[in-house]
Amino acid sequence: EADIYQTPRYLVIGTGKKITLECSQTMGHDKMYWYQQDPGMELHLIHYSYGVNSTEKGDLSSESTVSRIRTEHFPLTLESARPSHTSQYLCASSEYRGSHRVADTQYFGPGTRLTVL
Amino acid sequence: DQQVKQNSPSLSVQEGRISILNCDYTNSMFDYFLWYKKYPAEGPTFLISISSIKDKNEDGRFTVFLNKSAKHLSLHIVPSQPGDSAVYFCAASASGNSGAGSYQLTFGKGTKLSVIP
Repeated sequence: EADIYQTPRYLVIGTGKKITLECSQTMGHDKMYWYQQDPGMELHLIHYSYGVNSTEKGDLSSESTVSRIRTEHFPLTLESARPSHTSQYLCASSEYRGSHRVADTQYFGPGTRLTVL
Repeated sequence: DQQVKQNSPSLSVQEGRISILNCDYTNSMFDYFLWYKKYPAEGPTFLISISSIKDKNEDGRFTVFLNKSAKHLSLHIVPSQPGDSAVYFCAASASGNSGAGSYQLTFGKGTKLSVIP
């Protein structure tokens, strides 16, 4: 089981503020992901990374940005938060082993519940 | 269009009985399927997975069945316990091209399972 951490767990901020959601994993996984989930809905992939200095946008368009300077760290930044950004943000990681299906199993952090007033 | 569908938003089961959670998919390229369990205010926890080369995979009280022709999979929990009460997400991936550009997960909206003591 992967050890993956997210901070803060809960965040309430005002419109226009810049925020960074932190995500770290200690398993040395190459691949990391950010998902957004609203209550009763599916998880939507907003960003992913296959390694250091690699980042891609996911299926759901997001105004957030990410960086991957170190293998274990994958922070997400919102330059100017808006009420429409209110959601739960989930970080995940998985191990890449070429064609082995172990790469499909993603391990999730506890999430950050963001509320923008 | 949703590629992974969990048509039952909720399910109630008596403790000790069997819980059956269903999932349908539309993308014939999906070849690996996973089930995650999620408690409120926490991230999803990986439960069990199955490759399309199999039709059944068992792990303790959890069994996943895959019917490729019907594009349907189900998770059986027996016997059900009150601690199993959570939201269960079905997810699928397609191996696609080789290398890092594959193995992304597509999630269903989840089924909330309530196990009544």
